Amino acid sequence: GAVVSQHPSWVICKSGTSVKIECRSLDFQATTMFWYRQFPKQSLMLMATSNEGSKATYEQGVEKDKFLINHASLTLSTLTVTSAHPEDSSFYICSARESRARGGGDQYFGPGTRLLVL
Amino acid sequence: AQSVTQLGSHVSVSEGALVLLRCNYSSSVPPYLFWYVQYPNQGLQLLLKYTSAATLVKGINGFEAEFKKSETSFHLTKPSAHMSDAAEYFCAVSPLYSSASKIIFGSGTRLSIRP
Repeated sequence: GAVVSQHPSWVICKSGTSVKIECRSLDFQATTMFWYRQFPKQSLMLMATSNEGSKATYEQGVEKDKFLINHASLTLSTLTVTSAHPEDSSFYICSARESRARGGGDQYFGPGTRLLVL
Repeated sequence: AQSVTQLGSHVSVSEGALVLLRCNYSSSVPPYLFWYVQYPNQGLQLLLKYTSAATLVKGINGFEAEFKKSETSFHLTKPSAHMSDAAEYFCAVSPLYSSASKIIFGSGTRLSIRP
């Protein structure tokens, strides 16, 4: 089956530093990848949609200068949290949709990255 | 616009009892509907999805869901709960025929299993 990996699985950093999270589709090509944020005991909130080779589309209320997304290849998207602060601490989950998918399905989720900013 | 509403943020059943997790959807176009499970500190695992083929969808781990258009519902059921079913469950919706679509998640239901 389709597998999506994320790296790192967890990260602790100091306030003011930047953190990069990688999302990879291991055995399929993904034209579109999605980044979600999940607070404790809450649902997943879509942050942005990234398409290979183009700029990401951010959801309302998400700061694009704060959360930099790069989708440089069909198997890799990165999320960089710039100048992280404690309120950015969260569980970040990516998903990838196969390039051949015609509908809204066929999205595969990564295992998530837990970020703790001190 | 699309949305899903999960009734009950927490459901508790006894081991061996019926599991019923409720989900109602709102969609102006034919929808994809999904149920995902999330174990603590892990990502999401797809349980099952409705793609307009059969209205009764069977998924993994003995779960199934029935699409009822007249009730705009997609409730998740399992005849006999197992301790390993304890997790967070999310219902989700996406437009059926749009390749540029995104998945919208419900607020989630935490399932607890009593011994």
